Amino acid sequence: EVQLVQSGAEVKKPGESLKISCKGSGYSFTSYWIGWVRQMPGKGLEWMVIIHPGDSDTIYSPSFQGQVTISADKSISTAYLQWSSLKASDTAMYYCARAYGDYIPHWYFDIWGRGTLVTVSS
Amino acid sequence: EIVLTQSPGTLSLSPGERATLSCRASQTVSSSYLAWYQQKPGQAPRLLIYGPSSRATDIPDRFSGSGSGTDFTLTISRLEPEDFAVYYCQQYGSSPLTFGGGTRVEIK
Repeated sequence: EVQLVQSGAEVKKPGESLKISCKGSGYSFTSYWIGWVRQMPGKGLEWMVIIHPGDSDTIYSPSFQGQVTISADKSISTAYLQWSSLKASDTAMYYCARAYGDYIPHWYFDIWGRGTLVTVSS
Repeated sequence: EIVLTQSPGTLSLSPGERATLSCRASQTVSSSYLAWYQQKPGQAPRLLIYGPSSRATDIPDRFSGSGSGTDFTLTISRLEPEDFAVYYCQQYGSSPLTFGGGTRVEIK
């Protein structure tokens, strides 16, 4: 079964750092890009960033450039999203999703993880 | 950036009725690179339609997508109880990838 398994919910204070993960299984992890999508409480979906696990090529949405860092470890089929200094406004559900498409940037997301809820509160 | 506007915001219908959801783009979506997702409360989004009329794996044929250029439509021919959810469109014709604000389909 093709699946993406995300790390568990996190509760952090403003200014703290955080790294969440997304592990792929059931398919060739290095053959598909992996993206991250934010959903703030009660709101819609926002694409943040995407990475090719094979060579770590990355593309950021301008809205999130400099706000987060994406990385991947192909040896353990895992992608990561990290923050160096969290803000209350980072409180959201974060989904990783497998991107399907032949050419940059023509991707839709065919497989989704269940999401990681990040709560930032003092 | 391509802005996607979905309408209506909420659609109140009964099981068995037909649902028509609209997604309008601020500029032409190249090669009709448009997808639709369904999201139920507490769940991740699920891919329904891509390209803009191809159904994803295991998606029933009551779901259909159409459109080109700047105007796209998701149609649910006969609503089943499990279809009441929020639906999002996404364009993948240009970066940044963008989503519409969603249409909630609720039971009347």
